[in-house]
Amino acid sequence: EADIYQTPRYLVIGTGKKITLECSQTMGHDKMYWYQQDPGMELHLIHYSYGVNSTEKGDLSSESTVSRIRTEHFPLTLESARPSHTSQYLCASKGQGTEAFFGQGTRLTVV
Amino acid sequence: GENVEQHPSTLSVQEGDSAVIKCTYSDSASNYFPWYKQELGKRPQLIIDIRSNVGEKKDQRIAVTLNKTAKHFSLHITETQPEDSAVYFCAASKGGSEKLVFGKGTKLTVNP
Repeated sequence: EADIYQTPRYLVIGTGKKITLECSQTMGHDKMYWYQQDPGMELHLIHYSYGVNSTEKGDLSSESTVSRIRTEHFPLTLESARPSHTSQYLCASKGQGTEAFFGQGTRLTVV
Repeated sequence: GENVEQHPSTLSVQEGDSAVIKCTYSDSASNYFPWYKQELGKRPQLIIDIRSNVGEKKDQRIAVTLNKTAKHFSLHITETQPEDSAVYFCAASKGGSEKLVFGKGTKLTVNP
């Protein structure tokens, strides 16, 4: 079934660890996005990509990095996790149509 | 860049009443305005959208209106039901950039 998948769904990790949040979509979409969602709801765009080898920073400054080596895959990496990185991270994708589809999210806790 | 303001941040209504959520955008070149609904613990999902060449769009109990001159658009939900309780996000984007910028969200509570 065509969908957008995020792993892991939940992650608790110690300060200073390197982590990668995975995002894959099987819908053939060229555009992909990472949003950080506060407990208070707001969706902050932190990274986006228009296609392979294209990555752009979003409106919210983030210490994370992304890569887009394959169309279907858009992983987000934190080199050294800190408690301030605790949040929910949502991945989304968008094709030639206008609707953006979201993954289930990764809830990250850094202790 | 685009900036989207959304009001109110919380809204509580009685079942059967109408609910209205308003958004304004800053970039006059934006031409696509979707609304997403996020239920507790779930992912945001598109419920309705409107393009800049249309002033109003309706889908059963939900409708969206757009005023390009004033750069604002609104979501209207009639005959609200408890299952309408969720967080609603407006967004704006323009062709070419495709960057989707969201408002801060409105938490709607429908009281039975």
